[in-house]
Amino acid sequence: SQTIHQWPATLVQPVGSPLSLECTVEGTSNPNLYWYRQAAGRGLQLLFYSVGIGQISSEVPQNLSASRPQDRQFILSSKKLLLSDSGFYLCAWTPSLTGSTDTQYFGPGTRLTVL
Amino acid sequence: AQSVSQHNHHVILSEAASLELGCNYSYGGTVNLFWYVQYPGQHLQLLLKYFSGDPLVKGIKGFEAEFIKSKFSFNLRKPSVQWSDTAEYFCAVLGGSQGNLIFGKGTKLSVKP
Repeated sequence: SQTIHQWPATLVQPVGSPLSLECTVEGTSNPNLYWYRQAAGRGLQLLFYSVGIGQISSEVPQNLSASRPQDRQFILSSKKLLLSDSGFYLCAWTPSLTGSTDTQYFGPGTRLTVL
Repeated sequence: AQSVSQHNHHVILSEAASLELGCNYSYGGTVNLFWYVQYPGQHLQLLLKYFSGDPLVKGIKGFEAEFIKSKFSFNLRKPSVQWSDTAEYFCAVLGGSQGNLIFGKGTKLSVKP
């Protein structure tokens, strides 16, 4: 069966420090991968989307970047964190070839607090 | 662009009370609709989904939702809530430019024992 992992689970970082959040999926090949963020009082917002290694699409301009160095690995990064980067970051995956009716499966999330 | 509205930010109920959480989406036509639930300290999990067919969809743990196309709504219901239903509930529609989900802001449900 497929599983999705995220780490770290929680992170407290000072403003201006770098960030690296990791997401890995097991039990599937060539998944579509997503990074979402949930800020306080707001819904989940799509940040990045990837259909394959090295292929990243960004939904909104921001202080963050994403990379997909391996098929089942998706990394969210920042060179210098801002206070507004605080939030709950969720990674999700879908099968890549099943069309528009995919259910998205979510990881446990990372709670990031920028001080 | 597609958007999702959840009307209630925080709902507080006593056990055995009936639940209805509102969800409206903005764009007509063919829609794929979802309710996700996040229990305290747990993953976001799929509760139920609607793609086509019977507009009354039954999910896990006694939840159901009704798709009403004329009202652009997909409200979540449960006839009798339990303390273990305390969680945050998210309505979502598949409609982003990247095949992603568009979420509402979520409704926090607190059930008093």
